[in-house]
Amino acid sequence: QVHLVESGGGVVQPGRSLRLSCAASGFTLSSYGMHWVRQAPGKGLEWVAFIWYDGTNKYYVESVKGRFTISRDKSKNTLYLQMNSLRAEDTAVYFCARDGTGTGAYFDYWGQGTLVTVSS
Amino acid sequence: QSALTQPASVSGSPGQSITISCTGTSSDIGNYNYVSWYQQHPGKAPKLMIYDVSSRPSGVSNRFSGSKSDNTASLTVSGLQAEDEADYYCSSYAGSGTWVFGGGTKLTVL
Repeated sequence: QVHLVESGGGVVQPGRSLRLSCAASGFTLSSYGMHWVRQAPGKGLEWVAFIWYDGTNKYYVESVKGRFTISRDKSKNTLYLQMNSLRAEDTAVYFCARDGTGTGAYFDYWGQGTLVTVSS
Repeated sequence: QSALTQPASVSGSPGQSITISCTGTSSDIGNYNYVSWYQQHPGKAPKLMIYDVSSRPSGVSNRFSGSKSDNTASLTVSGLQAEDEADYYCSSYAGSGTWVFGGGTKLTVL
């Protein structure tokens, strides 16, 4: 049974960093692409980042390019999102989601999300 | 990457059918068959309802169906039930390894 559990959220000051984790079980990360999707309070979903099944390609929404880095640890079957130079507008619940394929198509399983609040 | 356009709200009575539209451009919906739909109840994670325009994942009711014409995708929910009340989001691949979501539609079952 596929299960995704995010962690690492919290309150952080603007300009600081935070690393989110997404522990996967029930499948192997190296067989599927993985996404991060966020949802600001009371707002809609926004795609943030995607990593191919083999880790060779990574993609980001324009607003986080150069600040966020998606990565994974095969030995821990865990996905990460390193977030640097955080801004108030990054405040959101961050979901990790499995892609239905290896190279990108849709989001078939989602975690419950972890809340990131950027505030002084 | 502009968000796809969805109506803010739709409503219907139990047993009726509703359709939610999702309008994009020739750079996203019009250019790829990677349109998907998600259901989100308050405080919960989104759930995949439709993928690849009209395919339904195992376990999703056949009351949910999807289609696409040019730059617009649609989700139809037939035989409305109380548990269908939720927010619905469309998504499309937008090229260059990126995705875009719609703003979301709140479905109210009267």
